[in-house]
Amino acid sequence: EVQVVESGGGVIQPGGSLRLSCGASGLTVRNHYMSWVRQAPGKGLEWVSVIYKDGREKYADSVKGRFTISRDNSKNTVHLQMKSLRAEDTAMYYCGVVHYDVLLGYFDCWGQGALVTVSS
Amino acid sequence: SYVLTQPPSVSVAPGETATITCGGDDIGSISVHWYQQRPGQAPVLVVYDDTDRPSGIPERFSGSNSGNTATLTISRVEAGDEADYYCQVWFTNSVQCVFGGGTKLAVL
Repeated sequence: EVQVVESGGGVIQPGGSLRLSCGASGLTVRNHYMSWVRQAPGKGLEWVSVIYKDGREKYADSVKGRFTISRDNSKNTVHLQMKSLRAEDTAMYYCGVVHYDVLLGYFDCWGQGALVTVSS
Repeated sequence: SYVLTQPPSVSVAPGETATITCGGDDIGSISVHWYQQRPGQAPVLVVYDDTDRPSGIPERFSGSNSGNTATLTISRVEAGDEADYYCQVWFTNSVQCVFGGGTKLAVL
C-alpha cells in the first residue's frame, strides 16, 4: 500500500524558517512526481510546489524564492524548506504523489498533513 | 492565471442527485480531476481525467467535461457524501496546477 507521511510542522515566528518532510512507503519517490499542497484554515486547496522525477522543481508564485523542494533518495523522502515565513503561510501542508504525463496531472495519494502556524 | 469557479455550496436530500460544477475558460479542452475532503481529513481523489474513477470509488460518482464547464455528479446521495469537493487541472506545458475554490455539499 502506498503511503506518505508528513512531519516537521509547528509554530514559527514571522521571518523564521521551517523544514517539512514527507516520508514515503510503498513507492520510490525518485520514480514519481511529488508535490506539496497547502490549505489555510477554513480555506481551499492551494498548490505550492512539485519536484519532477528528473529533479526539476517548480513553485507557485506565492512561495517562489522562499520555499525549496528537494528529495533525499537514500531516505525515500521529500522535503519542503520554507524561509521568510509570513502569517499568510499558516496552513495545513499536504504531501501528494502526482500521476503526471504529457497531458495531465493529478494527486492519487495524499498524506494526512502537517500544520504550520506562523505567529509571534 | 487560470481560474476555476465552483459554487460555494450545494444542498441535496438523501437519495437525490447532486451536481457540482467547475467553470473555466475552455475547460473542456483540459483534463479535470475531482477530490472529496471530509472535515478534518485529507482530500481523496474521486474522479480523474474528466470521467474515470479510481478503484474503490462508488459508481455513484461520475464526471463530465465540455465547453466551459466540468461537472461532478453524485447519484443516490448518502449522508456520508457530505464533504467539500474540489476540481483541479494541471497545465503540463506551463506547470501550473490550479484548484477550484471548493463546494460544500450538504445532505439535508
